Amino acid sequence: IAGITQAPTSQILAAGRRMTLRCTQDMRHNAMYWYRQDLGLGLRLIHYSNTAGTTGKGEVPDGYSVSRANTDDFPLTLASAVPSQTSVYFCASSEGTGTDTQYFGPGTRLTVL
Amino acid sequence: GQNIDQPTEMTATEGAIVQINCTYQTSGFNGLFWYQQHAGEAPTFLSYNVLDGLEEKGRFSSFLSRSKGYSYLLLKELQMKDSASYLCAASDNYGQNFVFGPGTRLSVLP
Repeated sequence: IAGITQAPTSQILAAGRRMTLRCTQDMRHNAMYWYRQDLGLGLRLIHYSNTAGTTGKGEVPDGYSVSRANTDDFPLTLASAVPSQTSVYFCASSEGTGTDTQYFGPGTRLTVL
Repeated sequence: GQNIDQPTEMTATEGAIVQINCTYQTSGFNGLFWYQQHAGEAPTFLSYNVLDGLEEKGRFSSFLSRSKGYSYLLLKELQMKDSASYLCAASDNYGQNFVFGPGTRLSVLP
């Protein structure tokens, strides 16, 4: 059982380019989340999805979009990357929402130059 | 909204006991999570408190006081492998907010 996988592991991207970070879980969890982690700021929620077909905005959604076409996949897209989006991105999933434990993927380290 | 505060760094000696505090101010608070994160790795779940009191799980225990907006994580018999960041996170009643504190970086020295 893989749990949650993310791709790529790391990426260096020129500013202005479009980038999609992939996240797949095989636990049949209903809820999925995208966080970014920056030194001194901790984990901040970008977008979430409580169930397939629905998405919502977190604390820092600007510049990012998500889709949830099915239960397993939750890609995060940067339409036009900027240097301030340099960060480590974690995808997570939970069986339900709010009170359920979140399980994290290994992360994607993104550098925007 | 929710605001969570933790000490930035702590140092302790192998074999000792350390307490990592977390204070929170929230609307619609439901429960408090603790996660461990080793450098360069993903956070992993440690504990969850929804009721007041102490939850013990091996060498790790977590305490919650809802009236005081306060939690702590207690690590006993510290080992070198416990050197990591410890993140507290609060969830709200609505299932749409899961807010993490900045994390406490614990260094365990021999």
